[in-house]
Amino acid sequence: GQQLNQSPQSMFIQEGEDVSMNCTSSSIFNTWLWYKQDPGEGPVLLIALYKAGELTSNGRLTAQFGTTRKDSFLNISASIPSDVGIYFCAGQLWNSGGGADGLTFGKGTHLIIQP
Amino acid sequence: GAVVSQHPSWVICKSGTSVKIECRSLDFQATTMFWYRQFPKQSLMLMATSNEGSKATYEQGVEKDKFLINHASLTLSTLTVTSAHPEDSSFYICSALYRGLATNEKLFFGSGTQLSVL
Repeated sequence: GQQLNQSPQSMFIQEGEDVSMNCTSSSIFNTWLWYKQDPGEGPVLLIALYKAGELTSNGRLTAQFGTTRKDSFLNISASIPSDVGIYFCAGQLWNSGGGADGLTFGKGTHLIIQP
Repeated sequence: GAVVSQHPSWVICKSGTSVKIECRSLDFQATTMFWYRQFPKQSLMLMATSNEGSKATYEQGVEKDKFLINHASLTLSTLTVTSAHPEDSSFYICSALYRGLATNEKLFFGSGTQLSVL
């Protein structure tokens, strides 16, 4: 199946710093999504991207859908302690029936904020 | 926003027993639900696609006879891990596909079920 390469695997930053993470794929996706997962919980959607080249913001978060449809990045500005967690990118394809296939997830970026 | 309820949140069982996990869409009808498995410190891996009123579609490498999926109604899908073994211990997460107007489709995730098989 398809695989997503997500980097970095982990980030150790100071509070207030900006964060950037990205995902690349060997094949295209119709939709790119970014999720955050806290321990013992299901992932929570942060941003969804539906069009190649789309740049979308959600508060301090900004994400872009690459023009080739094979990559996406997520930026977090002015990080705060509650940003700690694991961030996953996910790609989604639309099947021939017009419905959505299950998501393919990246391996995650573990964000750690040092006091 | 739409809510997906997953139950139980955690379960401990003896090897050889079967465990059922429920996934409910509380305020919308979901003809399609997905089941994922996540091992510690790893990503979520799609196990199967559950379609209401029809057989589930399993990903390569997932045993359909071991992981039974039933999507008998538009708001409920169940995953039964049959004859569970310690290697089945994992975090299982469901998601439900919400279909709004036009192309507005969104996935909502349950809070997951931690299965520990002794």
